[in-house]
Amino acid sequence: SQQGEEDPQALSIQEGENATMNCSYKTSINNLQWYRQNSGRGLVHLILIRSNEREKHSGRLRVTLDTSKKSSSLLITASRAADTASYFCAPASGSARQLTFGSGTQLTVLP
Amino acid sequence: GAVVSQHPSWVICKSGTSVKIECRSLDFQATTMFWYRQFPKQSLMLMATSNEGSKATYEQGVEKDKFLINHASLTLSTLTVTSAHPEDSSFYICSANRDLYNEQFFGPGTRLTVL
Repeated sequence: SQQGEEDPQALSIQEGENATMNCSYKTSINNLQWYRQNSGRGLVHLILIRSNEREKHSGRLRVTLDTSKKSSSLLITASRAADTASYFCAPASGSARQLTFGSGTQLTVLP
Repeated sequence: GAVVSQHPSWVICKSGTSVKIECRSLDFQATTMFWYRQFPKQSLMLMATSNEGSKATYEQGVEKDKFLINHASLTLSTLTVTSAHPEDSSFYICSANRDLYNEQFFGPGTRLTVL
């Protein structure tokens, strides 16, 4: 499995603003998943985007995928204090099911 | 849908005892489950891959005799930390792979503290 690299490492914004975080990976993928982790909790599955998809929406979340640049982005619109968490991307290749996690992006939304 | 539960959510035990953690997929079957460990302020580290009906596959550096994994059914995997020591104190998280679309869903984690 390959590890996604999230950027930035930390992001601090005001409530109501949009938050964008990026993920880069090294080799071709079948799909890429985004997760959120609140402190001391498990990971919450946000979105899975497949390699033949370019954009996917779920509520206030928008994920894009650019396979030519081997990158993905997660946009959270109209952020809320409850969005404060660490966000991880997990690229998946071939038949491998194991996911390898990077350091994530720590998002802080200030009230 | 796609809920994964873990039990217990936290456990405190004395050094030398064994602790069993259960991971269940509540509304889907999971041929493959995974066990991760997370130390404070660090990312998740994959420990092992649990396959229903067969032996688990352990990552390099993870002692298979210390971390016993059993995946007896399509909805249940267990991790037993044998002869636990304080350095085993960590946050243990399981995940279950839902075969359709190859999505992976995580449990809420188990906080293990070994005194």
